[in-house]
Amino acid sequence: KQEVTQIPAALSVPEGENLVLNCSFTDSAIYNLQWFRQDPGKGLTSLLLIQSSQREQTSGRLNASLDKSSGRSTLYIAASQPGDSATYLCAVKTGSEKLVFGKGTKLTVNP
Amino acid sequence: DGGITQSPKYLFRKEGQNVTLSCEQNLNHDAMYWYRQDPGQGLRLIYYSQIVNDFQKGDIAEGYSVSREKKESFPLTVTSAQKNPTAFYLCASSMAGSSYEQYFGPGTRLTVT
Repeated sequence: KQEVTQIPAALSVPEGENLVLNCSFTDSAIYNLQWFRQDPGKGLTSLLLIQSSQREQTSGRLNASLDKSSGRSTLYIAASQPGDSATYLCAVKTGSEKLVFGKGTKLTVNP
Repeated sequence: DGGITQSPKYLFRKEGQNVTLSCEQNLNHDAMYWYRQDPGQGLRLIYYSQIVNDFQKGDIAEGYSVSREKKESFPLTVTSAQKNPTAFYLCASSMAGSSYEQYFGPGTRLTVT
């Protein structure tokens, strides 16, 4: 059974710092991996999608990498801002169109 | 504006009552999903549908039912058989196929007392 783990569960950094969020998964047989952002009481916003054949994807200050063989992905956020404060979720797509989610990392960027 | 709408945003019900949560999308997506989110837990899949008039159980389908009569609509009924219905419910959609990302609606917070 696929399991997704995100460490740390919470992270607090000063504004301007570069940071890395981690995601690991137990079964490397995935179709893709998706990173999401969730603000309190809101739905999920898709940030980046990495296909299983890709190594990384970039969008603005965000860069996500994927190492399928080791079951790891990282989300790198450059020059963090208070508006980046949110919970970040990763999810892997397995067979049958299912997404399996981690529990998320709650990020706080302090002004 | 293209997107996914869920209504209502907040829903309150008494124990023993069935309640239906609405999900509509105008993205022309074939596949639609329902997830449940509880504090401290990851999202868990309740039901999903890849085509009209067909749907499959997810990991926690007991106490829930769905229908898919139209491509753009995928309502979820929380029945009185669901033991712990209070949660945040999220609907999502995507193009059919393994390569596509899922897009989420704003969610419905259901409270049952």
